[in-house]
Amino acid sequence: QKEVEQNSGPLSVPEGAIASLNCTYSDRVSQSFFWYRQYSGKSPELIMSIYSNGDKEDGRFTAQLNKASQYVSLLIRDSQPSDSATYLCAVNEGGGADGLTFGKGTHLIIQP
Amino acid sequence: DAGITQSPRHKVTETGTPVTLRCHQTENHRYMYWYRQDPGHGLRLIHYSYGVKDTDKGEVSDGYSVSRSKTEDFLLTLESATSSQTSVYFCAISESIGVSNQPQHFGDGTRLSIL
Repeated sequence: QKEVEQNSGPLSVPEGAIASLNCTYSDRVSQSFFWYRQYSGKSPELIMSIYSNGDKEDGRFTAQLNKASQYVSLLIRDSQPSDSATYLCAVNEGGGADGLTFGKGTHLIIQP
Repeated sequence: DAGITQSPRHKVTETGTPVTLRCHQTENHRYMYWYRQDPGHGLRLIHYSYGVKDTDKGEVSDGYSVSRSKTEDFLLTLESATSSQTSVYFCAISESIGVSNQPQHFGDGTRLSIL
């Protein structure tokens, strides 16, 4: 069974600092990796997608992928109180229409 | 925002009654998905569709059925609702798949309570 593991938190980070969120996955054939942000009572919102080993940057967000270690992470620079949310890691095998396998999410709190 | 509308947004019903949730998209995307989200379990795939009349089961499909008669509509039916199906249901859509699947975008969700 495919599994995606995340630390549930809460992860508390001071405003302006770097928040580091981690995710491991069990299925070695996974090809597509996504980070979603979910505010309480709202739907998941896509932040980043990454498909190749290495780093991918988009504004204050950087996704990092290491397929050999089956590890994907999300860094948030200059953290803002509005970044306080639950961050969901999602993985897909690629090449098929079946859905995403999600981690249970990490609750991030940015302290003003 | 992706053009995805879920209806109803909230529903309370009784055990044993049939319930149908609707997902409507205006993006003309081929792939559509139904997930449920529960505390302690995260998001789990119920059913998905890869085209009109083409559907398949996900991880937690027992007690649910789906239909897709048009590209834009994907219906989720609970034939005889049970309290264990109380959850928040999300519809998602995706444009294409390949070695690198395109991301899925989510609707606003339906909060379903079964008493």
